[in-house]
Amino acid sequence: NAGVTQTPKFQVLKTGQSMTLQCAQDMNHEYMSWYRQDPGMGLRLIHYSVGAGITDQGEVPNGYNVSRSTTEDFPLRLLSAAPSQTSVYFCASSYSRREIGHEQYFGPGTRLTVT
Amino acid sequence: AQTVTQSQPEMSVQEAETVTLSCTYDTSESDYYLFWYKQPPSRQMILVIRQEAYKQQNATENRFSVNFQKAAKSFSLKISDSQLGDAAMYFCASLETSGSRLTFGEGTQLTVNP
Repeated sequence: NAGVTQTPKFQVLKTGQSMTLQCAQDMNHEYMSWYRQDPGMGLRLIHYSVGAGITDQGEVPNGYNVSRSTTEDFPLRLLSAAPSQTSVYFCASSYSRREIGHEQYFGPGTRLTVT
Repeated sequence: AQTVTQSQPEMSVQEAETVTLSCTYDTSESDYYLFWYKQPPSRQMILVIRQEAYKQQNATENRFSVNFQKAAKSFSLKISDSQLGDAAMYFCASLETSGSRLTFGEGTQLTVNP
């Protein structure tokens, strides 16, 4: 198993550009989520999904869109990048929402810089 | 809403010594989990230890143990026989079992001196 994979590892965008951060898992996990990590702060939840076709907002959803058309993939879209979205982004997955407390797998992260 | 607070932005310890990282939390629920995650310079998030709130016994994993004080809402991490590889950012986190997300503290940067 590859686990949770994220692409790209690094990205630089100009203000106003759009892009999609990719996240995939091969463990047949129902639950997937996106976090952002800023200096001096812990990870904060952006969006999450409890299964294909179902998504919901987390703590800091503004400026981001998600969709979940398959169990394996959970892309995060930035529609119009802003400098405030400069951060490290982590994707995570677990078998179900209830399993977050037992085992949650994190991807390696994507470092995004918006100039 | 859950909150998690780590009041020590930085800590240091001598190799082979013991260090304790502090964490306090707040939740309105009675059923929840608490975690310590390690993040080395590679950025990978690594689960160090997990505590279920209904269990009175403190969790241990080899050199890592916790002091879980439920009434005080305190959850500290003790690292014994510190090793150079323990140097990392450590995050405390909580999860209400009725909820869908981990809530993280601000992190403590641990330095291990040889």
